[in-house]
Amino acid sequence: DQQVKQNSPSLSVQEGRISILNCDYTNSMFDYFLWYKKYPAEGPTFLISISSIKDKNEDGRFTVFLNKSAKHLSLHIVPSQPGDSAVYFCAASGSGGSNYKLTFGKGTLLTVNP
Amino acid sequence: NAGVTQTPKFQVLKTGQSMTLQCAQDMNHNSMYWYRQDPGMGLRLIYYSASEGTTDKGEVPNGYNVSRLNKREFSLRLESAAPSQTSVYFCASRDRGYRNGYTFGSGTRLTVV
Repeated sequence: DQQVKQNSPSLSVQEGRISILNCDYTNSMFDYFLWYKKYPAEGPTFLISISSIKDKNEDGRFTVFLNKSAKHLSLHIVPSQPGDSAVYFCAASGSGGSNYKLTFGKGTLLTVNP
Repeated sequence: NAGVTQTPKFQVLKTGQSMTLQCAQDMNHNSMYWYRQDPGMGLRLIYYSASEGTTDKGEVPNGYNVSRLNKREFSLRLESAAPSQTSVYFCASRDRGYRNGYTFGSGTRLTVV
């Protein structure tokens, strides 16, 4: 059973507009959530994270929102730039001896058009 | 350059052949991980090593073995490769207690024919 779900395989937006990538999770033991960005032929790189004790975390153009009751998080990119075009993975981890293993979603391919 | 180094970058194997994927990190991280990425499947954990001397199974361990040779190196072995193991393999490492701190290598693209 997939514990982290990214239901949109792809998203296309215009440069300068907002990109919103969504992620849902099912495991109530997850208490830390991360977004990774991946370019072709490269490994994923960390983008932004949020702890379950918060509902928002902002870093420059990137903001992650967490709705614990809905088990939903989203990544907002404002304004979107062509260099943001990549696959974005949502990931989650739990505490309590899990060694902070990450469970990833399937990813969303973001294309930002000039 | 500091980071996670994976070798080889590309490999083609025949069904039944064996090979070892190498991974080394120079950041003095305690934990190391092997993931595979398949189209439409995201990244799935194969094996991990929380610290030197320990290894544990992840989500998809069948057909693989691992060795944590020392703190720097964590290898993944395919004893008898199968076409279902065609994938891109990523090694990652993480510092103890730092939940953001996954650093990934650039991947090994493996094709089994």
